[in-house]
Order: sequence, then C-alpha cells, then structure tokens
Amino acid sequence: DAKTTQPPSMDCAEGRAANLPCNHSTISGNEYVYWYRQIHSQGPQYIIHGLKNNETNEMASLIITEDRKSSTLILPHATLRDTAVYYCIVGRGGGSSNTGKLIFGQGTTLQVKP
Amino acid sequence: ETGVTQTPRHLVMGMTNKKSLKCEQHLGHNAMYWYKQSAKKPLELMFVYNFKEQTENNSVPSRFSPECPNSSHLFLHLHTLQPEDSALYLCASSQGVSQDRNYGYTFGSGTRLTVV
Repeated sequence: DAKTTQPPSMDCAEGRAANLPCNHSTISGNEYVYWYRQIHSQGPQYIIHGLKNNETNEMASLIITEDRKSSTLILPHATLRDTAVYYCIVGRGGGSSNTGKLIFGQGTTLQVKP
Repeated sequence: ETGVTQTPRHLVMGMTNKKSLKCEQHLGHNAMYWYKQSAKKPLELMFVYNFKEQTENNSVPSRFSPECPNSSHLFLHLHTLQPEDSALYLCASSQGVSQDRNYGYTFGSGTRLTVV
C-alpha cells in the first residue's frame, strides 16, 4: 500500500476554510484516497474518499491532482468541533474480493481556534 | 452510534486475568478488523477477517487471540497481558469492493484497556 505524507499540525480560524494537504506520490492506479478523522479517544470517523475525480459531501471536499500524487481535504467552514487528527490514507479498501487494509500514519492535528 | 458496537468501553485487568473484547456490526459488512492505538501513536492493524476467515495477523503476540464466529461478530480474547498492552483497541468493518465503488471502514468507539 502506498504511503502518505502529511504535515504534523495545522491551525485554522473558526469559520474559515481548512485546507489539509497530503502527498501520495507512490499511489497506484487502483488505490483510492481516503480521509478519516479522529476526535480525542474516539474511533476514527470516515470523511470522504476518491479515486481521481474531485468529490464533495456534506462534510468536506476532496481535491485530487491530475497526476494523483497529492490531494487536499477542504473543510469549508471549520468549527471548534472539527478539531481532530486527520488521516490521509491510500488503499484498496476491503471486502469480498480484496481484504485491502488501510494503514494509518501519524496524520495532521488540526486545531480550530476561536 | 456508527453501526459498529464495541463492549466494554473501558476495561481494567490484571496481568493474570483472562478477558474478552467484543465487536458487533449489523451493516452487512464482510470484513472485520482489530486495531490497537497506544498513546500518541498511529493506529496499528492487528488482525483482518474476511467472511469469518482470518486473512492477516500482523505479527501479534499470542496473548491476543481473535475469534470471528460469523460476519457480524468479532472477539479479541486477552490472556496474561503486559502493562505495555494498555491501549485503545478499535474494531472496524468494511463492505465489499465492486468495480465502480470502493468502501472504507466503519469504526467502533473502541475499548480503553488498562493492564495493571
């Protein structure tokens, strides 16, 4: 599974957009980009995932570069409750034909400040 | 509530005790996973089960013994643990991979284990 590189920490002002970068230069063609977040001492929460197109849901937007070597997670209006560790992971997910495992790195600690 | 339920939420056990952690999902998922998260460390994958069959053991010591009686339940049996085994133990499940979609994991809230 491809490895990812994220900045260890970031700050963001409440109400502003939080842009979290991730490098995954060794990603292979069938690997997806997943984003999860973990609020202190809870289980990680799925945010969004994508293969090559940009994706948006009610939580966030995912922008993947054309060469797929990097991506950015955008929280459009960060709130204090968005303070968490954000993990960028690449992998093939899991299931019946492929128990691809998701390997978590250190992630980015996002601190949203009032 | 995420759809993956872990019990107990907190557990304190002595080094000579035997205890079990339980994970249950009713999401119709086929794969289940145990992760360990020690303080200030990333999640470490321990075991993978696919359709009740263990497909991965990530060099986990034998004092941790998983059991998957069916696709909805996963257990982690604990025996003669060490204080350094104290951690947050997380269970996750995932659905199958199809040609046009790929599914991530749904995690439980974890069991906070303290070995004394």
